[in-house]
Amino acid sequence: GAGVSQSPSNKVTEKGKDVELRCDPISGHTALYWYRQRLGQGLEFLIYFQGNSAPDKSGLPSDRFSAERTGESVSTLTIQRTQQEDSAVYLCACTRDRGHEQYFGPGTRLTVT
Amino acid sequence: AQSVTQLGSHVSVSEGALVLLRCNYSSSVPPYLFWYVQYPNQGLQLLLKYTTGATLVKGINGFEAEFKKSETSFHLTKPSAHMSDAAEYFCAVTRGTGGFKTIFGAGTRLFVKA
Repeated sequence: GAGVSQSPSNKVTEKGKDVELRCDPISGHTALYWYRQRLGQGLEFLIYFQGNSAPDKSGLPSDRFSAERTGESVSTLTIQRTQQEDSAVYLCACTRDRGHEQYFGPGTRLTVT
Repeated sequence: AQSVTQLGSHVSVSEGALVLLRCNYSSSVPPYLFWYVQYPNQGLQLLLKYTTGATLVKGINGFEAEFKKSETSFHLTKPSAHMSDAAEYFCAVTRGTGGFKTIFGAGTRLFVKA
């Protein structure tokens, strides 16, 4: 596709359940990022993948959060045993090179009840 | 490590007035700097960026920003605010060498009064 897509667009889950969020980046974009945006707040860096290098996981808030990416394609962000504080919009972005802009997906709005 | 500070979580201006949104960064290597805008209920989109070369960069919708290395700043300006400029603005920094990690500021919400 022409842009970054994310699925699902909305997810409501019960506390304690696991969720998996998906990001389809733009073809050929080597770097992929996940961010969390809580209501009324800025972007919180979670993790980024750069080509086949080891991902930078320094932003993951706890070991309940994990992410995978195969090559330069789809990425999934998994949150285990969800908590209410995990409620947020999860944004995926990609870029084709270091000096270039990030292209953002529409986000997944996660609500933990 | 990189960091970004946006002074003022909320800025309010009158329509037609100057817009000034402040951004200071820290980076141990030459930075690449960006401003993104998020309109209500929309995704983030790039306003402008600085990588190398001319330190005054122009973006969309009449916005511009100037990279001042001595002040470690990248403030965003627009001479005359329009109602449609009301949005959230994010400053971001990426390392100029050695990796892609990008850090965003906390954002500044711009209000434009009629």
